Amino acid sequence: DAGVTQSPTHLIKTRGQQVTLRCSPKSGHDTVSWYQQALGQGPQFIFQYYEEEERQRGNFPDRFSGHQFPNYSSELNVNALLLGDSALYLCASSLELSYNEQFFGPGTRLTVL
Amino acid sequence: QQPVQSPQAVILREGEDAVINCSSSKALYSVHWYRQKHGEAPVFLMILLKGGEQMRHEKISASFNEKKQQSSLYLTASQLSYSGTYFCGTCDQTGANNLFFGTGTRLTVIP
Repeated sequence: DAGVTQSPTHLIKTRGQQVTLRCSPKSGHDTVSWYQQALGQGPQFIFQYYEEEERQRGNFPDRFSGHQFPNYSSELNVNALLLGDSALYLCASSLELSYNEQFFGPGTRLTVL
Repeated sequence: QQPVQSPQAVILREGEDAVINCSSSKALYSVHWYRQKHGEAPVFLMILLKGGEQMRHEKISASFNEKKQQSSLYLTASQLSYSGTYFCGTCDQTGANNLFFGTGTRLTVIP
């Protein structure tokens, strides 16, 4: 049973560019959450998708957007990249029920130059 | 909304015990504990729910004081494999599991 997978593993972009990160949830999971983890910090919640809709959103600007597909996979898009967007982006999947654990993927390391 | 963890770092010898604390300024519905090793994804340890019981995973247990909005993680007879950064993630909404994570506690277990 494959766990949460993310692509790409690493990415280097320049300021002002746009980036798309991808996530495939653990088999059977229908909810996908995205987190940003800066070096030495805890993960920060970006948003959560369920039934192809954004259900919850953290304190991130509109430059951060997402999408969930019918097969529950998800994309995170970031426009007009800033140096401060450099971080590890983690995807976590879970079942819709609130008390279910979240399984994290290995993350995508984004570097903005 | 970010919970506060203490201590920030701790060094243990194998077999020693440790306690990691997590506190929030908001009323909590659940507390989730994760361990992250360097360069790896966070790994789930346990969930504590409002009104629920103290949880245990092998020699790691945790408690949740709803009135104080605090949770503690207890590591007993630590092993080398316990090394890593421990994060608590809190959720203040019923029916949701979007988490707000603390800054983490770096635990190092030495022989």
